Amino acid sequence: QLQESGPGLVKPSGTLSLTCAVSGGPISSYNWWSWVRQAPGKGLEWIGEIFHGGSTNYNPSLVSRVTISLERSKNQFSLNLSSVTAADTAVYYCARGGVGLSTPENFDSWGQGTLVTVSS
Amino acid sequence: ENVLTQSPGTLSLSPGERATLSCRASERVINNYVAWFQQKPGQPPRLLIYGASDRATGIPDRFRGSGSRTDFTLSISRLEPEDFAVYYCQQYGDSPLTFGQGTRLDLK
Repeated sequence: QLQESGPGLVKPSGTLSLTCAVSGGPISSYNWWSWVRQAPGKGLEWIGEIFHGGSTNYNPSLVSRVTISLERSKNQFSLNLSSVTAADTAVYYCARGGVGLSTPENFDSWGQGTLVTVSS
Repeated sequence: ENVLTQSPGTLSLSPGERATLSCRASERVINNYVAWFQQKPGQPPRLLIYGASDRATGIPDRFRGSGSRTDFTLSISRLEPEDFAVYYCQQYGDSPLTFGQGTRLDLK
């Protein structure tokens, strides 16, 4: 199971920081972990992924502003998105899964999502 | 990036009917790594199909995925009331991973 946490309100030009707690097994039990977002009333956008060994892969549209990191001791991974604007307002999901893996577990498990609003 | 275009945007059907949803990729999808998700309001996406045609754990056999290269289809036979939702396709064969814009399946 996955659970997102973090501030629900971020000021413009600030940094959005979220954490995804993984329960039910070690984070090393699966290769890739992703962040996906969904603006209100819109579709899904993949932000990026982190390998349990620590390497990352980001969406080119966000690469200059995004960092995904891992804390194995806490069994969690995190998202930082800098220089946010109103366009970054969205529900942010963490999910088990990534690019290039075709297994029954790829994107079978998602957090409930957390709404982050960018506003002053 | 591999752009996925879903059609139709909205599909209005009745319970018991068959639904056919299309997903077209702008480039060949590597290894046919296409997944389909169902999303209901206020909920995260739910994995239905992976690898273009393999059903995820616990998904009823009325959901069927097919297709290859650039053209993929999700078919739902004998619609149940709980099937009315938004459906997204996803390609995960290449980075960046991309989603289609969604097809809304409405109750007629």
